[in-house]
Amino acid sequence: SQQGEEDPQALSIQEGENATMNCSYKTSINNLQWYRQNSGRGLVHLILIRSNEREKHSGRLRVTLDTSKKSSSLLITASRAADTASYFCATDAGTSYDKVIFGPGTSLSVIP
Amino acid sequence: DGGITQSPKYLFRKEGQNVTLSCEQNLNHDAMYWYRQDPGQGLRLIYYSQIVNDFQKGDIAEGYSVSREKKESFPLTVTSAQKNPTAFYLCASSMLGRAHNEQFFGPGTRLTVL
Repeated sequence: SQQGEEDPQALSIQEGENATMNCSYKTSINNLQWYRQNSGRGLVHLILIRSNEREKHSGRLRVTLDTSKKSSSLLITASRAADTASYFCATDAGTSYDKVIFGPGTSLSVIP
Repeated sequence: DGGITQSPKYLFRKEGQNVTLSCEQNLNHDAMYWYRQDPGQGLRLIYYSQIVNDFQKGDIAEGYSVSREKKESFPLTVTSAQKNPTAFYLCASSMLGRAHNEQFFGPGTRLTVL
């Protein structure tokens, strides 16, 4: 069973608008990560938020974490056509190992 | 330049053949991973290794095998027992420890069975 589930599955916005993607998970976690994947490429790490953090910023990215609701959101402000990609959340499922579990992803299209 | 490389980028296999996908990293990472990605889907863990000469099965290990003879290398063999091997394969590495499990990914190998 998947630990993380992104919502929506697909999102299409105009350039300059903000894009918000959500991730829900089932078990307790130590941290949650967001990754980006351009079509046909490997994943690139965007941001990691620990379970004792509520919000984190990196450039135009803002991530929030609500452990009581077992959910996280990724906000991309002032989107650009180059932000077109798939975005995945990944959680460690609170295990003692270093493996993470990826959700199915949100496909974001930013229209110029 | 530090990074993680995969080869080949594209691979074609006839049914019944074994093929080996290469993954090399020079990031001095202890942990390495293999994932499978099917179209429009997320990543599923095949195998992972936290230390040389040791590895663990992931969620979909059947029909795959790995070795970890060197810290830098974690090749994946797709055997003829894998019934539906056509997919995009991604290798990743990370430092050990919960606080440091950001994963660095290679560019991927697209395997097609003819």
